[in-house]
Amino acid sequence: NAGVTQTPKFQVLKTGQSMTLQCAQDMNHNSMYWYRQDPGMGLRLIYYSASEGTTDKGEVPNGYNVSRLNKREFSLRLESAAPSQTSVYFCASSEARGHTYEQYFGPGTRLTVT
Amino acid sequence: SQKIEQNSEALNIQEGKTATLTCNYTNYSPAYLQWYRQDPGRGPVFLLLIRENEKEKRKERLKVTFDTTLKQSLFHITASQPADSATYLCALSLSGGYNKLIFGAGTRLAVHP
Repeated sequence: NAGVTQTPKFQVLKTGQSMTLQCAQDMNHNSMYWYRQDPGMGLRLIYYSASEGTTDKGEVPNGYNVSRLNKREFSLRLESAAPSQTSVYFCASSEARGHTYEQYFGPGTRLTVT
Repeated sequence: SQKIEQNSEALNIQEGKTATLTCNYTNYSPAYLQWYRQDPGRGPVFLLLIRENEKEKRKERLKVTFDTTLKQSLFHITASQPADSATYLCALSLSGGYNKLIFGAGTRLAVHP
């Protein structure tokens, strides 16, 4: 039982390049999320998917797109990377259990855009 | 404006003492509040959840309180150990949504032998 996995762990991009961050969970959770974490700031929600087939914008969606490929996988795409997107990206998943919604996080992808 | 504030300065305490971390919020009405632990280079790990109608929740050496009048949650670690050293994040969940969390920036705790 791997939980939430993310690839790659590290990535360096040049400004204007594109890339996709992959996330998968094996807990059969309906909901999945993408966050970014910057120094001195809390985790900020980029996009989320309440269930397979649906996606919605979070707090900071500009410059990103997402795909909920199936129940297990939720990918985050940067179409044209900018230095402001240098950050650590976390994927998470959750499921309702008696009205509690703890989130399970992946190990993160550290992205640098030069 | 809406804010979640955690003490940005690191908290240094001696092993065996009780660590108390604070989470204050303004202009939110959270349905519940969660605490997570984050170690360097790793994703956050869920610790405890407390609902708006609960005053206190305990789990082993951990205790969380939630005062909706003061708009504050306190997170206590009793008999602290060096292994408790980490960053602790609080997160609010608002009613009406399914599970969108709003995170504070976290407080780093260092427990010294």
